[in-house]
Amino acid sequence: QKEVEQNSGPLSVPEGAIASLNCTYSDRGSQSFFWYRQYSGKSPELIMFIYSNGDKEDGRFTAQLNKASQYVSLLIRDSQPSDSATYLCAVNDNFGNEKLTFGTGTRLTIIP
Amino acid sequence: GEEVAQTPKHLVRGEGQKAKLYCAPIKGHSYVFWYQQVLKNEFKFLISFQNENVFDETGMPKERFSAKCLPNSPCSLEIQATKLEDSAVYFCASSHNEGVNEQFFGPGTRLTVL
Repeated sequence: QKEVEQNSGPLSVPEGAIASLNCTYSDRGSQSFFWYRQYSGKSPELIMFIYSNGDKEDGRFTAQLNKASQYVSLLIRDSQPSDSATYLCAVNDNFGNEKLTFGTGTRLTIIP
Repeated sequence: GEEVAQTPKHLVRGEGQKAKLYCAPIKGHSYVFWYQQVLKNEFKFLISFQNENVFDETGMPKERFSAKCLPNSPCSLEIQATKLEDSAVYFCASSHNEGVNEQFFGPGTRLTVL
């Protein structure tokens, strides 16, 4: 059974600070990794994906991947109240169109 | 279209009734996925299609769930004889045929079984 683990939170971060969200996965063969943001009552929205070890930056967001440790993280710089949401980590076995295996999400609250 | 469309937004069924959900993928996307979200954030994969062909059905409960993607029609997910535990939000996602598998989600259908 492939597993994707996330701290469910809630994680509270002051506005303007860095929010750090973590995810571990059990299948060493996993190849691509996705971060989705889900506001309450809404659908998941893709923020970033990463498939190479290291960091990938997009605006205020940085995804970090360490395949040896089977660990992926998302950093949100200059956190805004609008970043308050549940962040879902999802893992794909391959680069192809296989199903995503989701973690249960981390609820993030940005405190003004 | 530019977004994944799902209908209806809400569906209420009595236990034992049939439920049918629809999904139109983003234009040009070849793959369609169905996921079930229960208990807040637990996503469960149900089935995926490549065009009109089943690609992966390992998550489908065999007995009461069925799904189709026919040419020139929205994809559908049908639940025969619904049970209370089928109450969930059902999300459809689509992805294109190239590159990393970025799946884009529709707004979901909330199914309530009474």
